[in-house]
Amino acid sequence: AQSVTQPDIHITVSEGASLELRCNYSYGATPYLFWYVQSPGQGLQLLLKYFSGDTLVQGIKGFEAEFKRSQSSFNLRKPSVHWSDAAEYFCAVVVDYKLSFGAGTTVTVRA
Amino acid sequence: EAGVAQSPRYKIIEKRQSVAFWCNPISGHATLYWYQQILGQGPKLLIQFQNNGVVDDSQLPKDRFSAERLKGVDSTLKIQPAKLEDSAVYLCASSYAQGGELFFGEGSRLTVL
Repeated sequence: AQSVTQPDIHITVSEGASLELRCNYSYGATPYLFWYVQSPGQGLQLLLKYFSGDTLVQGIKGFEAEFKRSQSSFNLRKPSVHWSDAAEYFCAVVVDYKLSFGAGTTVTVRA
Repeated sequence: EAGVAQSPRYKIIEKRQSVAFWCNPISGHATLYWYQQILGQGPKLLIQFQNNGVVDDSQLPKDRFSAERLKGVDSTLKIQPAKLEDSAVYLCASSYAQGGELFFGEGSRLTVL
């Protein structure tokens, strides 16, 4: 069965520092991969997606993610974090037309 | 373009009562999803519609949960009777087609006392 694992439950980062959120998936073929962000009291917003092609994907708000087949990973990165990036981040995978989410990583930004 | 609309945003009920949530997807989106998000967890798919037909309801607790999308547009999710463990945010999403990008509503937060 396919699954998405986000190993880090909570990450604290200083404003201006870099951020990397980990995501691992288990699936035999190349999946469709997504990162979503959820601010408090808000719905989920798509940051970026990977279907095929270039393994480095650029998204909104300065985020990027890299698909590494050898490691079954799709880690999300941002070079310099802003206070408004404090939110919960979800990695997700589509298999058989169904979108399955990881448990999420909460990001706290300290001044 | 209007987004996915959901109502009510918040609902508090006592256990064994019933509740209904409404969702209006983005115009033209054929696929509609209901997700349950329990605090501290990722969203879990409850049911997926393609137009007015059910594609997947394998994780819907059918003894108490029901959902319909009669005209292939808006949808209603009902819980009857509610249990304490049903306290969660119920997210509706829509996509133009299966496998396409999902657009989420802001969710309906349910508290069962």
